[in-house]
Amino acid sequence: QKEVEQNSGPLSVPEGAIASLNCTYSDRGSQSFFWYRQYSGKSPELIMFIYSNGDKEDGRFTAQLNKASQYVSLLIRDSQPSDSATYLCAVNARMNTGFQKLVFGTGTRLLVSP
Amino acid sequence: ETGVTQSPTHLIKTRGQQVTLRCSSQSGHNTVSWYQQALGQGPQFIFQYYREEENGRGNFPPRFSGLQFPNYSSELNVNALELDDSALYLCASSLSAGMVTGELFFGEGSRLTVL
Repeated sequence: QKEVEQNSGPLSVPEGAIASLNCTYSDRGSQSFFWYRQYSGKSPELIMFIYSNGDKEDGRFTAQLNKASQYVSLLIRDSQPSDSATYLCAVNARMNTGFQKLVFGTGTRLLVSP
Repeated sequence: ETGVTQSPTHLIKTRGQQVTLRCSSQSGHNTVSWYQQALGQGPQFIFQYYREEENGRGNFPPRFSGLQFPNYSSELNVNALELDDSALYLCASSLSAGMVTGELFFGEGSRLTVL
C-alpha cells in the first residue's frame, strides 16, 4: 500500500464548477497535511495546509481533513482555466531518526475547460 | 517566488558521469530537503539536512550524497549516473523546530537528463 494515494486523473471540470480532489494516507500518526499545485514543467507551489479535523478555507480553496478515515481533500470553487495543473497531496511522516519528512502522492491532474 | 534558488536549471550528462546540484535556501530556513521527481510521478524523498547533518534518507543508493553548509545552502551529488536518474531534482527549504519540520518551499528545480 502506498503511503499517500491519489487518483491520477485527469479530472475534467467546466469553468465555474467545483473541483474535488481526494487523497488517502496510510500512517495514522500523520499530523500535517499539505496541498501543492504544480504547473507543467514547474516546481510544486504550496497552496494549503491543514492540521485539524474539519474544514479550512482560503479564498476559493477549502481543505478538508478526516483523520478517522485517513482522508484529506481539496475543493476548488469557481474553477478557472488557470487552475489546470497537477495537485499533489503531501503528508508528514516520522523517520527512524525521529525527524519528519513530507511524503507526496503521485498527484491528480486537473483540467478546467472554458 | 519562494526565495529558494537552484542551479543549474538544466543539464545533460552521460551514463557514468557525476553531477553536483546546488541549492540556496530561503532566508531563515534551517532545513533543506532534496526530492527526485520522475516524469508523471510525485516527488520522492532523497534526504534531508538540518544543522549540516543528514537527518533522514529515502530509498536511494549511496551514490546519492549531499552536504549542507553553515549558511544552510546545500549540494546534491550523484555519482555513476544511470539513465533512470533522469528527473527533476527539487530542493525544498523549511523551518524546523526540533524534529518537527514545517511546510516545504521548493526551488524551481534542476532538470537532469542522462544519455
